[in-house]
Amino acid sequence: EAGVAQSPRYKIIEKRQSVAFWCNPISGHATLYWYQQILGQGPKLLIQFQNNGVVDDSQLPKDRFSAERLKGVDSTLKIQPAKLEDSAVYLCASSTTGPDTQYFGPGTRLTVL
Amino acid sequence: GDSVTQMEGPVTLSEEAFLTINCTYTATGYPSLFWYVQYPGEGLQLLLKATKADDKGSNKGFEATYRKETTSFHLEKGSVQVSDSAVYFCALTGAGSYQLTFGKGTKLSVIP
Repeated sequence: EAGVAQSPRYKIIEKRQSVAFWCNPISGHATLYWYQQILGQGPKLLIQFQNNGVVDDSQLPKDRFSAERLKGVDSTLKIQPAKLEDSAVYLCASSTTGPDTQYFGPGTRLTVL
Repeated sequence: GDSVTQMEGPVTLSEEAFLTINCTYTATGYPSLFWYVQYPGEGLQLLLKATKADDKGSNKGFEATYRKETTSFHLEKGSVQVSDSAVYFCALTGAGSYQLTFGKGTKLSVIP
């Protein structure tokens, strides 16, 4: 069974630029999560989707971050414009319906200069 | 809100030493508890979990017991190997919630 796929693996941008990350969850997983992991800290949930609807985006900085999950499969997370403090690893995870085990992708490491 | 506190790292052990990584939590109701591991250059992987009080999760020689009375979920292994070198995260999902709340992680280095 293929795992959660993410791209790109690494991205370096200047502050005030835009960036987008892509995630493809495990086939059949209805729930998709985006986490932000700042160096030295545990992952923090940004947004949770159930199929193509948003369940919780209370910790998403909506003035600069946006996310969508078209057709309930792939998802894209965008930052526009980026700030220095956005430097982090962005993790995507998926799970079947319900509070089941979450499976994580390898992450995208973002560096904002 | 829910929170997880785990022991500060880094932790350095010799091969075959006994490992304990402490984890305590604050949550209402009865959360589910998890240990995730992140090997160098890889994504987070579920190591073990426990969903109710007194449950013991185990995998790859690691164990952790859900202690409601002490709100703890300490990770233990009797004899660590170099291949266990990784960052270990304690986490929980609150009652009725799907969202993981993580601790800050503990980096373990095992030397031959």
